[in-house]
Amino acid sequence: GENVEQHPSTLSVQEGDSAVIKCTYSDSASNYFPWYKQELGKRPQLIIDIRSNVGEKKDQRIAVTLNKTAKHFSLHITETQPEDSAVYFCAATANNDMRFGAGTRLTVKP
Amino acid sequence: KAGVTQTPRYLIKTRGQQVTLSCSPISGHRSVSWYQQTPGQGLQFLFEYFSETQRNKGNFPGRFSGRQFSNSRSEMNVSTLELGDSALYLCASSITGLSGWNEQFFGPGTRLTVL
Repeated sequence: GENVEQHPSTLSVQEGDSAVIKCTYSDSASNYFPWYKQELGKRPQLIIDIRSNVGEKKDQRIAVTLNKTAKHFSLHITETQPEDSAVYFCAATANNDMRFGAGTRLTVKP
Repeated sequence: KAGVTQTPRYLIKTRGQQVTLSCSPISGHRSVSWYQQTPGQGLQFLFEYFSETQRNKGNFPGRFSGRQFSNSRSEMNVSTLELGDSALYLCASSITGLSGWNEQFFGPGTRLTVL
């Protein structure tokens, strides 16, 4: 089955800096890659996703890139703000199965 | 539209008991997926239902089962509870499910504690 690895597990940045989180996947059949943000005590919420036929997608301060050949995808957050502090999960979907990375705890220091 | 709802929100059980959790998807969504979230194992896929059919199941023992009704509401059942089953159980709904490229919306979760 699919295996998703996510790095780093924790990330601390100064407000205004950029943050990058990287994930790799193993199943070449994976075709959909969402990123979720989960604040403490709350449900995961989709912040951006990318399909396998696209290499990059951007939504305001958030962007995701996908390299299908290398089987990795990354989340980029620019101009970070304290409210970006949360746990971020990447995921990969293949064959009606969604596998998650272990999560990255992002802390944005004011 | 109302969001995904889950009941109950909190549950305390003892080892050996069984439990049933409920998930009501967003109106019009035919797919419901279930996930287990623990500090040690993270988010793990349990199973997905679409139009009352289980389309896939994650790597969990047979004690974990589920079903979906004609109105798309779903239940999951855990029998013979073990301490390690303590977790936050999340369900998520989407229009076409994990085979399509569309957003999943998560419910608030049911926090199960097994004593």
